[in-house]
Amino acid sequence: GESVGLHLPTLSVQEGDNSIINCAYSNSASDYFIWYKQESGKGPQFIIDIRSNMDKRQGQRVTVLLNKTVKHLSLQIAATQPGDSAVYFCAEIKAAGNKLTFGGGTRVLVKP
Amino acid sequence: KAGVTQTPRYLIKTRGQQVTLSCSPISGHRSVSWYQQTPGQGLQFLFEYFSETQRNKGNFPGRFSGRQFSNSRSEMNVSTLELGDSALYLCASSLALGAGEAFFGQGTRLTVV
Repeated sequence: GESVGLHLPTLSVQEGDNSIINCAYSNSASDYFIWYKQESGKGPQFIIDIRSNMDKRQGQRVTVLLNKTVKHLSLQIAATQPGDSAVYFCAEIKAAGNKLTFGGGTRVLVKP
Repeated sequence: KAGVTQTPRYLIKTRGQQVTLSCSPISGHRSVSWYQQTPGQGLQFLFEYFSETQRNKGNFPGRFSGRQFSNSRSEMNVSTLELGDSALYLCASSLALGAGEAFFGQGTRLTVV
């Protein structure tokens, strides 16, 4: 498959454990944040989003936490599965338009 | 509902040539954005089109251009290709401007030799 990034930080996690992926964003004016998952050979796939007026949002097996004070975003994956192995990107959007500013990405490797 | 379709999937071009990439958004989506993905620079925004007009532009040289047609399909063009233009070019479609959630295609892998 294609290499998304050769020098990405990597999180190795045992199957069944919880994963936490962190992201620092830069623009305090951003009002919408998204986590994407990118598997080898594919485009980024939407996982979950959160608006700046929230500090937590839960989906299926995933939770996003937003701390606007320190401009920090995290993605928690519960009971990590082999299919969760991928590169995860956070992205921020400022008001108006759909320009996504992406973070550098974190590679998650799930060990059986 | 069909997803975002990008063609071609793979392309090899020579320095100095030009290239045109195509993107068909999800039916009903009117906003199309383009991104360049490289190992060194990550995912970088190129431009966004809505209703056939460029609404946002990233920090890329004028060799990179795009357009959108009345059916929302979009093309991007890179002229005078350089080796550094080798990348995965991704297209994303959204329902409208400010809609937030963007759906990505599989990308076009461009290799410049």
